[in-house]
Amino acid sequence: DAKTTQPPSMDCAEGRAANLPCNHSTISGNEYVYWYRQIHSQGPQYIIHGLKNNETNEMASLIITEDRKSSTLILPHATLRDTAVYYCIASLFPNDYKLSFGAGTTVTVRA
Amino acid sequence: EAGVTQFPSHSVIEKGQTVTLRCDPISGHDNLYWYRRVMGKEIKFLLHFVKESKQDESGMPNNRFLAERTGGTYSTLKVQPAELEDSGVYFCASSRLDIGNTIYFGEGSWLTVV
Repeated sequence: DAKTTQPPSMDCAEGRAANLPCNHSTISGNEYVYWYRQIHSQGPQYIIHGLKNNETNEMASLIITEDRKSSTLILPHATLRDTAVYYCIASLFPNDYKLSFGAGTTVTVRA
Repeated sequence: EAGVTQFPSHSVIEKGQTVTLRCDPISGHDNLYWYRRVMGKEIKFLLHFVKESKQDESGMPNNRFLAERTGGTYSTLKVQPAELEDSGVYFCASSRLDIGNTIYFGEGSWLTVV
């Protein structure tokens, strides 16, 4: 799997959009970009994934650059419950079932 | 729909003892995975079952770890004998076989070896 690079931490104001960047400059053409998060002491939670096109679901939006070398996860209206470690993962899943979690970005949402 | 359930949620054992962790995947999920995070490290893949067959156990740290999935339903992960460095949280996850499906994780089993 391609290596991803994320900032170690970031703060966000409650009610505002949180924009989480991720670099994956060595991503291959068939690797998806996955985002998971881990809220304190819980198991990793799937957020969203995409290949080339931008994606949106009830939790977040994923913006992938045209060259696919970077992406941004957008939490449109951050709440205190969104405080968590967010992981950006480049993966061949489901053709390769391993997910490689890095250090992630610790996001703190402040009131 | 019930999620991935793991038991026990916490266990404290002495070095040299045996511990068995259990995972019940989401009903209908043929793929089952074990991951773990040991102290100060990142979450790491251990192994992957498709039904009762081990597809990939490349992440298993050594032969003190044994995973089984008899009958293709629940899975167990046994650590025997446990060492101090085995302390951490063990996550089980599952997914359907259909292409494009995502992996759902359990809450984890916290293991402390003293």
